[in-house]
Amino acid sequence: QQPVQSPQAVILREGEDAVINCSSSKALYSVHWYRQKHGEAPVFLMILLKGGEQMRHEKISASFNEKKQQSSLYLTASQLSYSGTYFCGTREREGGKLIFGQGTELSVKP
Amino acid sequence: GAVVSQHPSRVICKSGTSVKIECRSLDFQATTMFWYRQFPKQSLMLMATSNEGSKATYEQGVEKDKFLINHASLTLSTLTVTSAHPEDSSFYICSASASGHLGITGELFFGEGSRLTVL
Repeated sequence: QQPVQSPQAVILREGEDAVINCSSSKALYSVHWYRQKHGEAPVFLMILLKGGEQMRHEKISASFNEKKQQSSLYLTASQLSYSGTYFCGTREREGGKLIFGQGTELSVKP
Repeated sequence: GAVVSQHPSRVICKSGTSVKIECRSLDFQATTMFWYRQFPKQSLMLMATSNEGSKATYEQGVEKDKFLINHASLTLSTLTVTSAHPEDSSFYICSASASGHLGITGELFFGEGSRLTVL
């Protein structure tokens, strides 16, 4: 079951904040976040396991509400390099397949 | 870190020919490898899951006779697109999960991707 991401696209000015949401209709074991630049492979940002612990990578953080089967990615003080398509991937069990959402295209303008 | 190397990065072939894409884990043993396909401006769609020494498990709608996956060792998996047609043109990406300390979080390690163009 493919997770649903929102919004589909967002345009920011450099320095602004953004939130990308990912929700699933299934109970989740983990949520993975990736950023992909055009023509390149996805780059791993962070993984959130069952337990609700918030993770952080520089100015990007994420939370996982396992009861609601939702995860959110928070981009703070966005930089031009943040532009790209963000994908969440979800796993229903340990070692299971990773299914990606449809992606959120983020554009950061100067 | 955990590095996954995918080869070739780009390939152009004629319709009707077969193309093999290799995915290697360079510094770890990949217990499971996953193959994804991505069309322009779309998400990564899982094609199949392969475990070393056993047959791959294909997702619904993926033709196993057309997309042959071999996972002969803990460091190598191959995807062969047989009798390729223009509609098979896509970006194919492999990913691997590791055992031991690298596998604790369940992170998947992605290859660089292979762009296939079928003329």
